[in-house]
Amino acid sequence: QSALTQPASVSGSPGQSITISCAGTSSDVGGYNYVSWYQQHPGKAPKLIIYDVSNWPSGVSNRFSGSKSGNTASLTISGLQVEDEAEYFCSSYTSSRTWVFGGGTKLTVL
Amino acid sequence: QVQLVESGGGVVQPGRSLRLSCATFGFTFSSYSMHWVRQAPGKGLEWVALISYGENNTYYADSVKGRFTISRDNSKNTLYLQMNSLTADDTAVYYCARGSCRSSNCPPDVWGQGTTVTVSS
Repeated sequence: QSALTQPASVSGSPGQSITISCAGTSSDVGGYNYVSWYQQHPGKAPKLIIYDVSNWPSGVSNRFSGSKSGNTASLTISGLQVEDEAEYFCSSYTSSRTWVFGGGTKLTVL
Repeated sequence: QVQLVESGGGVVQPGRSLRLSCATFGFTFSSYSMHWVRQAPGKGLEWVALISYGENNTYYADSVKGRFTISRDNSKNTLYLQMNSLTADDTAVYYCARGSCRSSNCPPDVWGQGTTVTVSS
């Protein structure tokens, strides 16, 4: 159950787009379309923003989009806004019927 | 309005036990799987355990297997996490979260605000 691999940090300016990668293995990300993404502001609980690779929960902006290629999933945020500054975590179902998270990526909006 | 409220956290000595509870409101608790996820101070999220809607199927992270037990009481709309043989590595904020559907492949969708567990002598 090794953690999925995410970049520690990314940054962008308001209005720009950024992409966060999430690398796993064929036993998790590559084996299932059960990849989720979470946004967490400091001191707050995580919020689900993408599930099943590319689906939006109700009420989540379509500026957030998800995709997957092989063993790597990606989250793209378009039209960056100041309030997008947060930490982002990916998560995947695994062949052991468990879940694994990525280490998290801190997004800075410059 | 869907709401999850954790309780039971606190300071506990190494080797001791603690039981966390998660009271749920605003949805049909018995129809959803439930997760526990933790976050050590300044660290990322770590998935801990899952229980399917029917109470029969439970799954654990390797780091807690054999020490932690997840359970639920569908008559009380409440989720539990019994934690035994605690170590300093178990110090974290513990979140309960609803699975988005009934089975093990349902990701956490709604989260509680967390309860803090500190293991220290």
